[in-house]
Amino acid sequence: EADIYQTPRYLVIGTGKKITLECSQTMGHDKMYWYQQDPGMELHLIHYSYGVNSTEKGDLSSESTVSRIRTEHFPLTLESARPSHTSQYLCASSGGGGTEAFFGQGTRLTVV
Amino acid sequence: GQNIDQPTEMTATEGAIVQINCTYQTSGFNGLFWYQQHAGEAPTFLSYNVLDGLEEKGRFSSFLSRSKGYSYLLLKELQMKDSASYLCAVRKTGNTGKLIFGQGTTLQVKP
Repeated sequence: EADIYQTPRYLVIGTGKKITLECSQTMGHDKMYWYQQDPGMELHLIHYSYGVNSTEKGDLSSESTVSRIRTEHFPLTLESARPSHTSQYLCASSGGGGTEAFFGQGTRLTVV
Repeated sequence: GQNIDQPTEMTATEGAIVQINCTYQTSGFNGLFWYQQHAGEAPTFLSYNVLDGLEEKGRFSSFLSRSKGYSYLLLKELQMKDSASYLCAVRKTGNTGKLIFGQGTTLQVKP
């Protein structure tokens, strides 16, 4: 079983609030990813990191920001949540070479 | 850039064999992954191909042709629990190793 954790699992929050979605892994993986997925739709890469202090935007533009101060931790922050941010956010990590990515259980965010 | 194409939906009968195709175009290729995702759950890893050929893992097999930019996932002896989305993902070359997903194929297994 993969050791990657996301909190919270579900979050309902009002417009304009600042939120941070947590993601931690205990596998020592260098690479970490954030994906956004609407119900029944594809996974879109919004952020990724290939090591401490290295973060880059993904292929889908997002108003969120990320940080990677420690190997095991890759939080995602929305400074001012809006209803358009309502979605599922999935965090993943992978090691070097051809190893697969492991996913957390996701955070289902609803902004009202 | 990259482009990954899969059929949107497929239907098959319990006990049968189904093949899900994936074609890709990418600037820099470092492996292709297949994931299974049940509704409302996180994706789980099924298989990985980086060299041409067939990889077999129980009821699941995956094939890759790098020259054609083509892969397929073969599911044998289908079970009802195999009803899920199947995601094709390409890893790019370089230190970053970005993992990009296709839109997924929703498979419905009928009795």
